[in-house]
Amino acid sequence: EAEVAQSPRYKITEKSQAVAFWCDPISGHATLYWYRQILGQGPELLVQFQDESVVDDSQLPKDRFSAERLKGVDSTLKIQPAELGDSAMYLCASSLSDKGSYEQYFGPGTRLTVT
Amino acid sequence: AQKITQTQPGMFVQEKEAVTLDCTYDTSDPSYGLFWYKQPSSGEMIFLIYQGSYDQQNATEGRYSLNFQKARKSANLVISASQLGDSAMYFCAISNQAGTALIFGKGTTLSVSS
Repeated sequence: EAEVAQSPRYKITEKSQAVAFWCDPISGHATLYWYRQILGQGPELLVQFQDESVVDDSQLPKDRFSAERLKGVDSTLKIQPAELGDSAMYLCASSLSDKGSYEQYFGPGTRLTVT
Repeated sequence: AQKITQTQPGMFVQEKEAVTLDCTYDTSDPSYGLFWYKQPSSGEMIFLIYQGSYDQQNATEGRYSLNFQKARKSANLVISASQLGDSAMYFCAISNQAGTALIFGKGTTLSVSS
């Protein structure tokens, strides 16, 4: 069964360092989402792509976060510089369409710890 | 703006018993979808069940069913015959048909004991 791949699974970094996460969605899925999940909370959207275009990045802290999906397939989320408050699980999800009735498939996540 | 409320931080149930996890929602969109996801301690989000706002019948998927009461804006998840492997965090989420990302609740931790 096809899955969403994410790497690394775990990342420990010091504050002020740069960190990057990678996501490879299920083949053929046009819509890709990056969510951030703080411990004890539900995931919250950071950025949504439709193919290579950003359709919603209203909750992305653009002073330190960037995201790209250059060829409309895999995606990279970067944080520079990392802050202590960025410690969280970063989840990538993909779906066939951006229509709300389509299930979103989630990857295993990257657990980030900033020290 | 859409909102999901899950008022049960934790639920405890014995094996083979049924359990209901509560979810209420708020939206001004006439067309929307409701989802339930399971998140084990390993962290991945596992899709369980989906209910569209215009669906006439309550959704069912194996041991999972969704008790959808549109007038009350509730979408409770019912797990029949609980198993030890059901112990996890459960999230209710909503999206609108225009394709916005999911809005999640704070989740309910389910603990199943033998």
